[in-house]
Amino acid sequence: GNSVTQMEGPVTLSEEAFLTINCTYTATGYPSLFWYVQYPGEGLQLLLKATKADDKGSNKGFEATYRKETTSFHLEKGSVQVSDSAVYFCALSDSAGAQKLVFGQGTRLTINP
Amino acid sequence: DTAVSQTPKYLVTQMGNDKSIKCEQNLGHDTMYWYKQDSKKFLKIMFSYNNKELIINETVPNRFSPKSPDKAHLNLHINSLELGDSAVYFCASSPSGTAIFYGYTFGSGTRLTVV
Repeated sequence: GNSVTQMEGPVTLSEEAFLTINCTYTATGYPSLFWYVQYPGEGLQLLLKATKADDKGSNKGFEATYRKETTSFHLEKGSVQVSDSAVYFCALSDSAGAQKLVFGQGTRLTINP
Repeated sequence: DTAVSQTPKYLVTQMGNDKSIKCEQNLGHDTMYWYKQDSKKFLKIMFSYNNKELIINETVPNRFSPKSPDKAHLNLHINSLELGDSAVYFCASSPSGTAIFYGYTFGSGTRLTVV
């Protein structure tokens, strides 16, 4: 079945550092890809998405490009802030009929001032 | 004006008890979901309803029973609670047929602790 693999966490960076969180996927067909963010004690919020190959999703300084050739959707940000500390989830849409999202295992990010 | 609201936020109960978690959305969405997040943050879908009809039923023990009285509500009832049921349960919703393009809107979760 479809699956998502994220880089192991936790990831700890200093403020203003460059961030990359790797995400690769296995899927049949042409899934949509998503990044969600979960702040402490809260639910998941959609951060960005891409629905077809070569699309770039972006939001709040974060970016990710849908790379079909490498089956990847890596999350990047040029200069992280303390407020970016959270757990980040990569996800893909599973099947058109069932409307299911499959999530990666999450990557905990901590930004130190 | 919360979009997807779950109650209660925290639930502590003894093994063997029966409990319910409620979810309501005011977004006008047709499809609602229950996900379980374990202690390692792994998220797994449990159920999905579209307009009160069950469309996803993953491999979940029979002790878990979803109920959707209308398209704005999806409740989760758990019988004979076990220690392994301790987790955070998330409700989510999406407009019918759009989740694969736009994702879901999540509630803030219910932390269930079975002692």
